[in-house]
Amino acid sequence: DAGVIQSPRHEVTEMGQEVTLRCKPISGHDYLFWYRQTMMRGLELLIYFNNNVPIDDSGMPEDRFSAKMPNASFSTLKIQPSEPRDSAVYFCASSPLKDGYTFGSGTRLTVV
Amino acid sequence: RKEVEQDPGPFNVPEGATVAFNCTYSNSASQSFFWYRQDCRKEPKLLMSVYSSGNEDGRFTAQLNRASQYISLLIRDSKLSDSATYLCVVTPSGLRGYSSASKIIFGSGTRLSIRP
Repeated sequence: DAGVIQSPRHEVTEMGQEVTLRCKPISGHDYLFWYRQTMMRGLELLIYFNNNVPIDDSGMPEDRFSAKMPNASFSTLKIQPSEPRDSAVYFCASSPLKDGYTFGSGTRLTVV
Repeated sequence: RKEVEQDPGPFNVPEGATVAFNCTYSNSASQSFFWYRQDCRKEPKLLMSVYSSGNEDGRFTAQLNRASQYISLLIRDSKLSDSATYLCVVTPSGLRGYSSASKIIFGSGTRLSIRP
C-alpha cells in the first residue's frame, strides 16, 4: 500500500491566488481528515469526511476554505483567495473505523 | 486550561538513558489515547495506542492514569534515532466511530533530543 498520498509537496503562491491541495487516502479507509500544522497553533483539525460525506467542518477557518471528496479515493482542500496567514503544512490523514490515523507527507504551503 | 497539555521540552538526554514524559488531559470522558512521533519536517506517525492496562512495545511503554487524567510514555535505552517530537492524542469516543472527531485533540508535542 502506498499510504496516503498528497500533492503537491510544496506550494509557493502569491496572495490572492487560488490554491488546491490534493489527497488520495488509503484504499478501504472510511474516514479522511484535513489538518493544518503551524508552530504557533500545532495540529488543527479543519474538516473530516466519513464515506465521502463531510461530517464536521467547524475547524475550517473561514469561507475562503472549502473541501470536497467526490469519491472514496480523492479529496481536495481549496483556499481562495489565499493569504499569507494561510502559510502552514497541510496534512491529510485517513483511518479505518478503528485504530489511529495514517498521515500523508503533507503539503508545505507558503503564501507570499 | 488547554484540553491536552504536554511539556514542550526539549528533553536532551544521553544515548542509553531512560526518559519519560507525560500528557495531561482535561476531559474526563476521553476514552482513546495514542502516542504519535513526528520527525522534523515529516508527518506524524502512530507510535502506539495507550490501553488502560498499560502496554509495552520493545523499549517503549505507554501508561494511562485515569484518576489523574494523564498518559505517559517511557523510552528505555534511548537511541539517537529516538530524537523526534512526541505528540499525544486524546479522543472522546471509543475506537469505534468518530462521532466527535472534531474533539480529537493533538497535544502540541514534546521535543526529545538524544545526544551521543
